[in-house]
Amino acid sequence: AQSVTQLGSHVSVSEGALVLLRCNYSSSVPPYLFWYVQYPNQGLQLLLKYTSAATLVKGINGFEAEFKKSETSFHLTKPSAHMSDAAEYFCAVSAGNQFYFGTGTSLTVIP
Amino acid sequence: EAQVTQNPRYLITVTGKKLTVTCSQNMNHEYMSWYRQDPGLGLRQIYYSMNVEVTDKGDVPEGYKVSRKEKRNFPLILESPSPNQTSLYFCASSAGIGYGETQYFGPGTRLLVL
Repeated sequence: AQSVTQLGSHVSVSEGALVLLRCNYSSSVPPYLFWYVQYPNQGLQLLLKYTSAATLVKGINGFEAEFKKSETSFHLTKPSAHMSDAAEYFCAVSAGNQFYFGTGTSLTVIP
Repeated sequence: EAQVTQNPRYLITVTGKKLTVTCSQNMNHEYMSWYRQDPGLGLRQIYYSMNVEVTDKGDVPEGYKVSRKEKRNFPLILESPSPNQTSLYFCASSAGIGYGETQYFGPGTRLLVL
């Protein structure tokens, strides 16, 4: 079975600091990996996705993620946090006919 | 505007009273899916549909039913809701599944079962 693990259910960073949200996956085949963001009282919005092209994927709002097969990781980063980045972030993997989500990381940005 | 719509957005009901949450997409997507979101558990897939009249169980299908009679609609049915089905529900659609297609999500339906 496929699975996604997000380390750290809550992450706090200062405004302007580096954002690093961790995601590890288990998959017996090369996966399709996604990061979604959920703002309060809203649905999920795609930030970026990996589909076996470039290993460094750039997304919206200055976010990027790097696929590392040797580490089975797909960590999300942003060089400088903004107050508007405060949200819940979900890593997900598409495998077979299903989608599997991690448990989410809540990002707090401290002014 | 391309979108996934869900209705109702908020629903309070009592145990055992049948309810339906509707989902509709206007993107001509073949794949549709329902998820529930619970604190600390992330999103878990309830049911999915590869196309009209083709549905299959996800990871947490107990207590739920779905149907896909039209491509655009994918209602979620709770025939006898119980308090453990209190949750936030999301419908999603994508052009397909298996090649990294993006899932587009509805705004969510918050359900409280008393």
